[in-house]
Amino acid sequence: EDQVTQSPEALRLQEGESSSLNCSYTVSGLRGLFWYRQDPGKGPEFLFTLYSAGEEKEKERLKATLTKKESFLHITAPKPEDSATYLCAVQAEYNFNKFYFGSGTKLNVKP
Amino acid sequence: KAGVTQTPRYLIKTRGQQVTLSCSPISGHRSVSWYQQTPGQGLQFLFEYFSETQRNKGNFPGRFSGRQFSNSRSEMNVSTLELGDSALYLCASSLGARGRGGAHNEQFFGPGTRLTVL
Repeated sequence: EDQVTQSPEALRLQEGESSSLNCSYTVSGLRGLFWYRQDPGKGPEFLFTLYSAGEEKEKERLKATLTKKESFLHITAPKPEDSATYLCAVQAEYNFNKFYFGSGTKLNVKP
Repeated sequence: KAGVTQTPRYLIKTRGQQVTLSCSPISGHRSVSWYQQTPGQGLQFLFEYFSETQRNKGNFPGRFSGRQFSNSRSEMNVSTLELGDSALYLCASSLGARGRGGAHNEQFFGPGTRLTVL
């Protein structure tokens, strides 16, 4: 069964303390892997799409990377406004209409 | 370009009632997906519509149904509400095309409808 697992469930960082979030997946033929940011009570906000192993995408303090089994979201010198839940989703080749979401990593950045 | 809109934003219902939620996708997007989000279960896929046809369905009871109109707007209906249906209901739109790569695969979410069942 296709699965997406995110770790850690929660992460507390001091402002400026860099770290990485993990998203591991098992899917028969990856079509795309997606990262979202979600603030409390709001809909997820699209961040990145990754399609193939070795691919990297960057946006401000965030950098997403992809291997054949997992993706990392690296956060460099985070600020309190980076506090949010980060969600990972995968899309399979055989069923491109359906997205499988992980349970998310709740990031809290203290000033 | 306007984003995905959902109405209403908040709803309070009692057990046994039914509810209809609405979603207007981004202009030009033909695929609309619905998700239920709760603290314990995370984002759970309900169903996906493309050109008025349901292409995918998650593991939810038949009380949950949906439809899509010719202008791609979509509605979701929940009948005989239960306490456990209290959740944030999210709608996401995408182009829904089968083409590989490019901008065809990303889903963009609306702000959600917060449903509380008393």
